Amino acid sequence: DTEVTQTPKHLVMGMTNKKSLKCEQHMGHRAMYWYKQKAKKPPELMFVYSYEKLSINESVPSRFSPECPNSSLLNLHLHALQPEDSALYLCASSQVENLEGQGAGGELFFGEGSRLTVL
Amino acid sequence: AQSVTQLGSHVSVSEGALVLLRCNYSSSVPPYLFWYVQYPNQGLQLLLKYTTGATLVKGINGFEAEFKKSETSFHLTKPSAHMSDAAEYFCAVSVESSASKIIFGSGTRLSIRP
Repeated sequence: DTEVTQTPKHLVMGMTNKKSLKCEQHMGHRAMYWYKQKAKKPPELMFVYSYEKLSINESVPSRFSPECPNSSLLNLHLHALQPEDSALYLCASSQVENLEGQGAGGELFFGEGSRLTVL
Repeated sequence: AQSVTQLGSHVSVSEGALVLLRCNYSSSVPPYLFWYVQYPNQGLQLLLKYTTGATLVKGINGFEAEFKKSETSFHLTKPSAHMSDAAEYFCAVSVESSASKIIFGSGTRLSIRP
């Protein structure tokens, strides 16, 4: 069983809808990530939170809005998405090597993903 | 900038045969290197990682990889393939200068023939 839990597993939404993806971990990890994965492609990094602060935003469109309410939870708020945003959205967590939030240098623990379809 | 290149998008081997999945990296600083596996409709799972020290790294499920600086390679091997090894395999590199940024290669799909 994965120790990173993502909900929902499947989501279908229209282009005018507002929805959220949720991720939870209880491993005490202080770095959390959102990745986007299209079919037959590698995961692409979207956001990294370190100590509940956004540390990396890979130039993701503003229709994706991340939120880290506490050290165990990570949300991805979705609004006005396009059909090309349909993908598997993966959450991951990891330890942080130092207080500057640098160098996980280590293992990412992934959830099973939320498969999003935008109509 | 750090990057990894996986040679071969699809590898097919017979059950019991040697598995060899190729990965070359590009990095201006000593990299952290990883192999992850993804089974259908699942997230990714770490097979093994190289950070520092011993260049031959052993992982789960009988896989191992050798870090070769002179060849900038980190190939994944397993002596004897099992049907359960069929999956997508990703090589990845950690960009240590930037907080927790791990970049994945394009992936290699491993098929096992009975």
